[in-house]
Amino acid sequence: EAGVAQSPRYKIIEKRQSVAFWCNPISGHATLYWYQQILGQGPKLLIQFQNNGVVDDSQLPKDRFSAERLKGVDSTLKIQPAKLEDSAVYLCASSREREQFFGPGTRLTVL
Amino acid sequence: QQQVKQSPQSLIVQKGGISIINCAYENTAFDYFPWYQQFPGKGPALLIAIRPDVSEKKEGRFTISFNKSAKQFSLHIMDSQPGDSATYFCAAARLSGGYNKLIFGAGTRLAVHP
Repeated sequence: EAGVAQSPRYKIIEKRQSVAFWCNPISGHATLYWYQQILGQGPKLLIQFQNNGVVDDSQLPKDRFSAERLKGVDSTLKIQPAKLEDSAVYLCASSREREQFFGPGTRLTVL
Repeated sequence: QQQVKQSPQSLIVQKGGISIINCAYENTAFDYFPWYQQFPGKGPALLIAIRPDVSEKKEGRFTISFNKSAKQFSLHIMDSQPGDSATYFCAAARLSGGYNKLIFGAGTRLAVHP
């Protein structure tokens, strides 16, 4: 079974620029999650989708972050405009039931 | 109330020794406590998990001990190996809420020296 795919793996941008991350979950997994992992910290949930509906986006900074899940499969997370404090690894995960499977993440550096 | 506190931040163990990582939580509604292992450049991977109706769960060299009254749980790695060197995260979730939202601890960087 193929794992969660994410791209790009690395991205360097300047502050105030825009950036987008892509995630392809494991086939058949209805639930998709985006986490932000700042260096030295544990992952923090940004948004959770059930199929293509949002279940929880309480910790998503909605003034600059947005996410969508196309047709209940792939998902994109966008930051516009980026700030220095957005430098982090953005992890995508998916689940069918309880266990969440994580992708390798996208490391974002904002200069 | 949503925090999960993890200690120590880092741990050095000799090969063959026992590694112990501790976590504490406040929210008594949490009913699922997994441990994740993360290698550099990789996403976290589920190692072992426990529900609060049992006090201990063992899988190979990995054991979770759970103390519901103290709101604490710990990971024990027996016969630690250099290949176990990674960052370990405890987490908690309220599955009964239907959301499966994981709250992670800050992580413990484990180094096992040969």
